[in-house]
Amino acid sequence: AQSVAQPEDQVNVAEGNPLTVKCTYSVSGNPYLFWYVQYPNRGLQFLLKYITGDNLVKGSYGFEAEFNKSQTSFHLKKPSALVSDSALYFCAVIIYEGSWGKLQFGAGTQVVVTP
Amino acid sequence: DGGITQSPKYLFRKEGQNVTLSCEQNLNHDAMYWYRQDPGQGLRLIYYSQIVNDFQKGDIAEGYSVSREKKESFPLTVTSAQKNPTAFYLCASSIVGQEPTGYTFGSGTRLTVV
Repeated sequence: AQSVAQPEDQVNVAEGNPLTVKCTYSVSGNPYLFWYVQYPNRGLQFLLKYITGDNLVKGSYGFEAEFNKSQTSFHLKKPSALVSDSALYFCAVIIYEGSWGKLQFGAGTQVVVTP
Repeated sequence: DGGITQSPKYLFRKEGQNVTLSCEQNLNHDAMYWYRQDPGQGLRLIYYSQIVNDFQKGDIAEGYSVSREKKESFPLTVTSAQKNPTAFYLCASSIVGQEPTGYTFGSGTRLTVV
């Protein structure tokens, strides 16, 4: 079955330290991958996407993600976390049903950045 | 500015009542979606629509209904048949085409049964 997984419910990191949020996927064909962030009582905001090309994708707010085909992963990273990065992060992959694709979301990872 | 507007932001419903959540977009997107979000459960797809006057059930459609009479609008009705409607509801839209695109989300409606 095609799916996306976020193995960590929560990630805790101290401000200034590197932040990594993990995502793995299972799709047939080429993977189209996305990261979104959600602040409390708000909608999801787009961070970045991988469609094709360079394996390292740069996005909003200093975030980047590394696509690794052999490990079927698309981990989100930030070199130096801020307290304001505390939020819920969702990885998503496009699943195709015929010619039209829908986004399937992971369960989300809560990031807590402590001062 | 283009975007998706959900209203109201907060909604209270008495048991046995139907309520309708509004979702309007001015992005000229073809597809629209409704998700339900519960704590610790991520996003679950309720209904989606690729074109006007057509929509499909998602993973948890029971107790919900939708309409798509205009491209810009995709209202969701939470009926009395939905036994546990208290949740955060998110509307989204996307382009339908060959280029894979992500979704644009509204700010959500928090529904509480009182």
